[in-house]
Amino acid sequence: DADVTQTPRNRITKTGKRIMLECSQTKGHDRMYWYRQDPGLGLRLIYYSFDVKDINKGEISDGYSVSRQAQAKFSLSLESAIPNQTALYFCATSDLTGLARGELFFGEGSRLTVL
Amino acid sequence: AQTVTQSQPEMSVQEAETVTLSCTYDTSESNYYLFWYKQPPSRQMILVIRQEAYKQQNATENRFSVNFQKAAKSFSLKISDSQLGDTAMYFCAFFYSGGGADGLTFGKGTHLIIQP
Repeated sequence: DADVTQTPRNRITKTGKRIMLECSQTKGHDRMYWYRQDPGLGLRLIYYSFDVKDINKGEISDGYSVSRQAQAKFSLSLESAIPNQTALYFCATSDLTGLARGELFFGEGSRLTVL
Repeated sequence: AQTVTQSQPEMSVQEAETVTLSCTYDTSESNYYLFWYKQPPSRQMILVIRQEAYKQQNATENRFSVNFQKAAKSFSLKISDSQLGDTAMYFCAFFYSGGGADGLTFGKGTHLIIQP
């Protein structure tokens, strides 16, 4: 099994629908991240979490919310999806020591299309 | 806030050639880390190489090496003897150890195509 698992892998939805992307990890890491990837824009940070009680906004948090249900689970929600939220979404995990080594463990990505 | 700039959206070279991908960054910090990640069509994010800012020696991993110019805030990736499997998006990334919290800052990426 993958260390970082994202569900769903692909999703097509309509404008105005609520969408949840889920992420779970078996690495035992405290830090979890949600990134968004768009062509020509690279990866941009949406939200990050140190632990269950610590949630922080990233560069592009507007229109998104997150929930850290447990150390191993970090979900991203789009309350009312809009077409410009069509993107590839990555969950990633790390600990501080590993981060300095570039050890950011990524999930396989969730491709979201909003029509 | 730190920024990372990759000025080459796409590059194409012939197999076995050497190619250099450019990356510049902006920071006021002195203790940080730089990385190159590879993303093949499978979408997987793969760490290629890392450089610690306090080390003057350029990092090398097999066919991959970097040219780290701290004063110029430049961090280029050289791929020698390029192979078809090197075709991928390449992202330059920055991490400041003092902040620590907000993960890596990525550039916009360079799409590298290796032609047979």
